[in-house]
Amino acid sequence: DIQLTQSPSFLSASVGDRVTITCRASQGISSYLGWYQQKPGKAPKLLIYLASTLQSGVPSRFSGSGSGTEFTLTISSLQPEDFATYYCQQLNSYPLTFGGGTKVEI
Amino acid sequence: EVQLVESGGGLVQPGGSLRLACAASGVTFSNYAMSWVRQAPGKGLEWVSVISGSGGSTYYADSVKGRFTISRDNSKNTMYVQMNSLRAEDTAIYYCATRGWSYGGAFDIWGQGTLVTVSS
Repeated sequence: DIQLTQSPSFLSASVGDRVTITCRASQGISSYLGWYQQKPGKAPKLLIYLASTLQSGVPSRFSGSGSGTEFTLTISSLQPEDFATYYCQQLNSYPLTFGGGTKVEI
Repeated sequence: EVQLVESGGGLVQPGGSLRLACAASGVTFSNYAMSWVRQAPGKGLEWVSVISGSGGSTYYADSVKGRFTISRDNSKNTMYVQMNSLRAEDTAIYYCATRGWSYGGAFDIWGQGTLVTVSS
C-alpha cells in the first residue's frame, strides 16, 4: 500500500502569509495526486487534481506542484477563509490513501 | 447542479448491520465511478471503497474488506454500502463522492455525509 506523509500536521499562520504544505508518497505515483480542503462540519472540497491543475472555481492563490514521490500545496497569500484542514490523496493505485492532514490555524 | 445525498446512518450495536445509500442528481450516474470515504470523530479522511460506473469492479480498504459490500443501482441513480459485523472503530461520518476521470480520478463531488455510530 502507498503511504502518504503530510507535513506539517499543524501550521500557525497569519493573513497574507505564504504557506506551503508537503505530501510525500512511499512510492512513485506519477502525478496522480489530489489536494482537498475541509472546513469544520463540512465535506472535503477538491482544490487541485493531477498534482498541479486547479479545480474550476478555486482561487488562483492556491497552487500545486510535484510528481513522483514529493508534492507541495502552496497558498500564496493566506486569506481568512483559507483557515481549514488540507489533505492530499493518491489516486495511482488501490487502496486509495489520504495523507494525515494539515490543520492551518491563525 | 450535481448533488449527492447520503442516508441510512444511525446508531447500531457492535456486530450489527447497516445499509447506507447515496442518491445522485444532476449527473449521468452510470458514467461515474463512485466511492465511500469516512471520517472518525476528530480524525482524518479514510478511503473505504469504490465501484465502477457499471458496477462490475469494486475495491475495498483492508479495514472493511469482507464486512462491507458496495453496490449501485444505475436505474435509481443510487449507490449503496452494506456494512456488516460493525465495530466501534467503524464509527464515523460516511461521505459518498464521485470519482471524476476528467480530474485524474480525484473525488470532485461530495455529499454532506451521514453519521454512523457503533455503540452498545
